[in-house]
Amino acid sequence: NAGVTQTPKFQVLKTGQSMTLQCAQDMNHNSMYWYRQDPGMGLRLIYYSASEGTTDKGEVPNGYNVSRLNKREFSLRLESAAPSQTSVYFCASSKQRRQANTDTQYFGPGTRLTVL
Amino acid sequence: AQSVTQLDSQVPVFEEAPVELRCNYSSSVSVYLFWYVQYPNQGLQLLLKYLSGSTLVKGINGFEAEFNKSQTSFHLRKPSVHISDTAEYFCAVSDGGNNRKLIWGLGTSLAVNP
Repeated sequence: NAGVTQTPKFQVLKTGQSMTLQCAQDMNHNSMYWYRQDPGMGLRLIYYSASEGTTDKGEVPNGYNVSRLNKREFSLRLESAAPSQTSVYFCASSKQRRQANTDTQYFGPGTRLTVL
Repeated sequence: AQSVTQLDSQVPVFEEAPVELRCNYSSSVSVYLFWYVQYPNQGLQLLLKYLSGSTLVKGINGFEAEFNKSQTSFHLRKPSVHISDTAEYFCAVSDGGNNRKLIWGLGTSLAVNP
């Protein structure tokens, strides 16, 4: 099993450009998450999805959109990138749909995004 | 609202020495507690978690943590660290409701020196 995979690993954008970060998991998990990690601020949840066809906002959703394409894939889109979105982005998944607050989350290797 | 405080942002330690990484949380309800580790340039992985039962929880790589409800703490310990334990360690908490969101601490950077 590859676990959670993310593409790309690195990306540099100019302000105003758009891009989609891809995430896939092969563990048949129901829940998937997008986080950003910034120095001094820890991990912050952007969006999550409890199952196919459902998505919910996290702490910092502004400037982002997500799509839960199917059970395996959960993409994060930046429509008009801003320097404040320079960060490391992590995708994660967990098994349960209900009571997921007890679940282990499995993380991908991250995408390092720089917006100039 | 729940919060998690990791009391040390950086912990330097010599190889084979014991280490304790401190985590306090604030919550008025029952909680579930987690420690995750992030090795350089990698994603996070679970070290251990407390859901219920014994307050001493054993995890991977020789780490353990003790849940102390009266002190609202969940400190992580290892009796003898290795160079390979150099990493960022994150404490996280979720409540006993149906809220699937974890509240994360800011992390503690453990540097193990030879």
